[in-house]
Amino acid sequence: QSALTQPASVSGSPGQSITISCTGTSSDVGAYTHVSWYQHHPGKAPQLMISEVSNRPSGVSNRFSGSKSDNTASLTISGLQAEDEADYYCSSYTSSDFYVFGTGTKVTVL
Amino acid sequence: QVQLKESGPGLVQPSGTLSLTCAVSGGPINSQSWWTWVRQPPGKGPEWIGERYHAGGAKYNPSLKSRVTISLDNTENKFSLWLNSVTAADTAVYYCGRGGYYSLVSWGQGTLVTVSS
Repeated sequence: QSALTQPASVSGSPGQSITISCTGTSSDVGAYTHVSWYQHHPGKAPQLMISEVSNRPSGVSNRFSGSKSDNTASLTISGLQAEDEADYYCSSYTSSDFYVFGTGTKVTVL
Repeated sequence: QVQLKESGPGLVQPSGTLSLTCAVSGGPINSQSWWTWVRQPPGKGPEWIGERYHAGGAKYNPSLKSRVTISLDNTENKFSLWLNSVTAADTAVYYCGRGGYYSLVSWGQGTLVTVSS
C-alpha cells in the first residue's frame, strides 16, 4: 500500500483560503469515508483536525473543512491565519484493514 | 483529556530490538479505544505501525507484522511497542496515540529512535 499523495507545499496570505489535496486509490480514499486530517507543528503532538472526511472534532476551528470526491480528499483552510502554518497529513483506512498516511503538506502563511 | 507520553532508548543497535513505552494519563487504558503506534522517518510522511484494542485484539501494518508486537499494561496504564531485527530504515520519530472511530484522537509528542552502531 503506497502513501497517499499530497502536494509538498501550499502557501497563502492571511485571510485567504487554501486547499490541500490527498490522492489515494479505490482501495483506500475511494473506498471509505474513513479519511482524517492532522495538523502538526514540529516538536508538538499532532492534532486531529478532521475525521470521517468532513467531521470537525470539538474545539477545532470552523475555518477547517474537509471533502472527498472519488479517490481524492481535500482539506480547505479558510481565513488563513499565522497559527495555521504547520505540516498537514491526511490518513485513510484501507481495504487491507490498516491505515495509510499522506506524504505531507507544509502550509506557509505569507 | 487523555495525554500520552512516549519513552525509551534513543539509540538502538542494528539487528537489536526497539522497545518503547507510552504512558497514558487522564483516562484508563481499558476504555474503548485503539492504542496505536505511528512512526515518521526523517523527511517522510508518517507510517502506521499498528494498534491494540482495549479488549485484546490487535492489527499491524503488513509490512512490519513479522517484527512488531504491541501490548497493554492495565495495571500501570501504559502500552508498549516492540520491533525486532531493526535496521537503519527503522530510524524515525515514534508516536503513540489513542484511536477513536477510524482516527487518532490523541497523540504523544513523539520520541526519536536512531538505529546505529
